[in-house]
Amino acid sequence: AQTVTQSQPEMSVQEAETVTLSCTYDTSENNYYLFWYKQPPSRQMILVIRQEAYKQQNATENRFSVNFQKAAKSFSLKISDSQLGDTAMYFCAVPVPGNQFYFGTGTSLTVIP
Amino acid sequence: GAVVSQHPSWVICKSGTSVKIECRSLDFQATTMFWYRQFPKQSLMLMATSNEGSKATYEQGVEKDKFLINHASLTLSTLTVTSAHPEDSSFYICSARDIQRKFFEQYFGPGTRLTVT
Repeated sequence: AQTVTQSQPEMSVQEAETVTLSCTYDTSENNYYLFWYKQPPSRQMILVIRQEAYKQQNATENRFSVNFQKAAKSFSLKISDSQLGDTAMYFCAVPVPGNQFYFGTGTSLTVIP
Repeated sequence: GAVVSQHPSWVICKSGTSVKIECRSLDFQATTMFWYRQFPKQSLMLMATSNEGSKATYEQGVEKDKFLINHASLTLSTLTVTSAHPEDSSFYICSARDIQRKFFEQYFGPGTRLTVT
């Protein structure tokens, strides 16, 4: 069975600083993708970054990057130069056969001015 | 691209009535759409998977006779909450997969806030 664990319910970071959100998962799949989604106060889910599990190179999207450790089944999100607009809930998601997502419980990130 | 709309964004209904929520993929075709329910400060809980032209697949514990899902076309899925009760009050989110993309990512609608009085 797939499980996704986000062990940090709440985090805060000073504006312009760097923060890392953790995610661990369990899956029986060999080829899969991993995603981080952001849900700001508007509650619109927004894709932040994706990682293809068969790629060793960590994905990067501007200020967002991942540290993907396949053997450890760890998929953390690093946000550099944090901005006030980064304040949101962040969810780690792992697709399973049938294309459903298993979502983690989320990390509430607050960027402090 | 990859925009998903939901209508209505907010609805209030009386206990015992039914309410329909529409989910549309505006600029892509979606053979598969998903319906989630989210309580305040909690994660998204998958309710059902909706496949175009076939019956929806419901997650364990979700009453299929209460939450009716219809996926009549490649761009439209509907969720009807029948005989609504106050405990059905929640935030409902739909998502869709773009059949042209290989990454299995889902594109989410803005959500519908349902309040049953």
